[in-house]
Amino acid sequence: AQSVTQPDIHITVSEGASLELRCNYSYGATPYLFWYVQSPGQGLQLLLKYFSGDTLVQGIKGFEAEFKRSQSSFNLRKPSVHWSDAAEYFCAVGSWDSNYQLIWGAGTKLIIKP
Amino acid sequence: DAGVIQSPRHEVTEMGQEVTLRCKPISGHNSLFWYRQTMMRGLELLIYFNNNVPIDDSGMPEDRFSAKMPNASFSTLKIQPSEPRDSAVYFCASSTKDRSVEQYFGPGTRLTVT
Repeated sequence: AQSVTQPDIHITVSEGASLELRCNYSYGATPYLFWYVQSPGQGLQLLLKYFSGDTLVQGIKGFEAEFKRSQSSFNLRKPSVHWSDAAEYFCAVGSWDSNYQLIWGAGTKLIIKP
Repeated sequence: DAGVIQSPRHEVTEMGQEVTLRCKPISGHNSLFWYRQTMMRGLELLIYFNNNVPIDDSGMPEDRFSAKMPNASFSTLKIQPSEPRDSAVYFCASSTKDRSVEQYFGPGTRLTVT
């Protein structure tokens, strides 16, 4: 079955510390992978995406993610978080032949300690 | 580009009333998605359209929900009659295969049914 797992419901990080949010997927086809961010009261905004090529992708707001096919993972990282990064982060997977559908993770809420 | 436009942004209605949510996708996008987000169930896909045709409505909770896409630039999600358990944030998103299935989200409609 196709699925996306974000094992951490909440993560608390001190401002200035590094961050890693985990995402594992189960998908039959060659995956396209996405990270979205949702600030409180807002819609979902695309942070970054992986389709092919370099497995380390850079996104907006200083985020990056690494695709590891052998581990079926696409973890999101940031070297130093800012208070404005407090939000909910969603991982999603799709493919060219998925008829446009994305499979979504449950989300990870990031809390920043001052 | 104006992005995905949703209206209204907030809707408060009484149980039993009809509610209509509206969405204008990004020009040139040929897929449109309706999602519902609640604390309990997270982000749920309700229905999606390709080229104005409903492809998968298996996520629609029950017959009280209906969605239409009369043309490429407009879609509605209707709830009749509404119930308190329909209270949620409803998102519309659009996509095109030319952009490799990434979805662009609107700001959402926060629905409260009293």
